Amino acid sequence: DAGVIQSPRHEVTEMGQEVTLRCKPISGHDYLFWYRQTMMRGLELLIYFNNNVPIDDSGMPEDRFSAKMPNASFSTLKIQPSEPRDSAVYFCASSSPDRFHEQYFGPGTRLTVT
Amino acid sequence: DQQVKQNSPSLSVQEGRISILNCDYTNSMFDYFLWYKKYPAEGPTFLISISSIKDKNEDGRFTVFLNKSAKHLSLHIVPSQPGDSAVYFCAARGAQKLVFGQGTRLTINP
Repeated sequence: DAGVIQSPRHEVTEMGQEVTLRCKPISGHDYLFWYRQTMMRGLELLIYFNNNVPIDDSGMPEDRFSAKMPNASFSTLKIQPSEPRDSAVYFCASSSPDRFHEQYFGPGTRLTVT
Repeated sequence: DQQVKQNSPSLSVQEGRISILNCDYTNSMFDYFLWYKKYPAEGPTFLISISSIKDKNEDGRFTVFLNKSAKHLSLHIVPSQPGDSAVYFCAARGAQKLVFGQGTRLTINP
C-alpha cells in the first residue's frame, strides 16, 4: 500500500490567495483527519470525516478554512483567503473503523504564506 | 488548556542505554494512550498504544507504562539505537479525537 498521499509537499503563496491541499487516504480506511502543526500550538486536529461525512470540525480556526471529502479516496482542505499566520505543516491521516486511534499520517504539506 | 503535556522538549541518551520519555494528562476520560514517532519531513508514525484498563504494554524494545492515579504515562526504549533519534509525541484519545502533546526530541548518541 502506498500509504496516505498528500499534495503538494510544499506550497508558497502570497497573502490573500486561495490555497488547496489534497489528500488520498489509505484504501479501506473509513476515517480521514486533517491536522495542523505549528511551533506554538503543536499538532492540532482541524476536522475529521467518517465515510466521507464531516463529523467534527470544531478545530477549524475560522470560516476561511473549509474541507471536503467528495469520495472515499479524496479530500481537500482549502484556505481562502490565506494569511501569514496560516503558515504551518498540514497533515492528513486516515484510520480503519476498528483501530480509530492508530492513525496513518501522510508526509504533510508545508505551507508558507508571505 | 493543554490536556496532554510533554514537559521535556529534548532528551539525549547514549546508544545501548534506556530512553524514558514522559507524558502527563489531565482528562480522566481518556480511554487510549499512544506514542507516535516522527522523523524530519515525514508524518508521525504510530508506535505503540495502551488501553486505559491496562498499566503496561510491551512491543519489542518499546514498553509503555500507564499510571492512572498519577495521570502519567511513559515510553521506555531499551536498548536505544541511533535510528530511534526522532521526535516522540504522546497522544490520548477522548471523545473520538486524539489530543497530542508537544513532542520530545530524542537524540541517541553513539
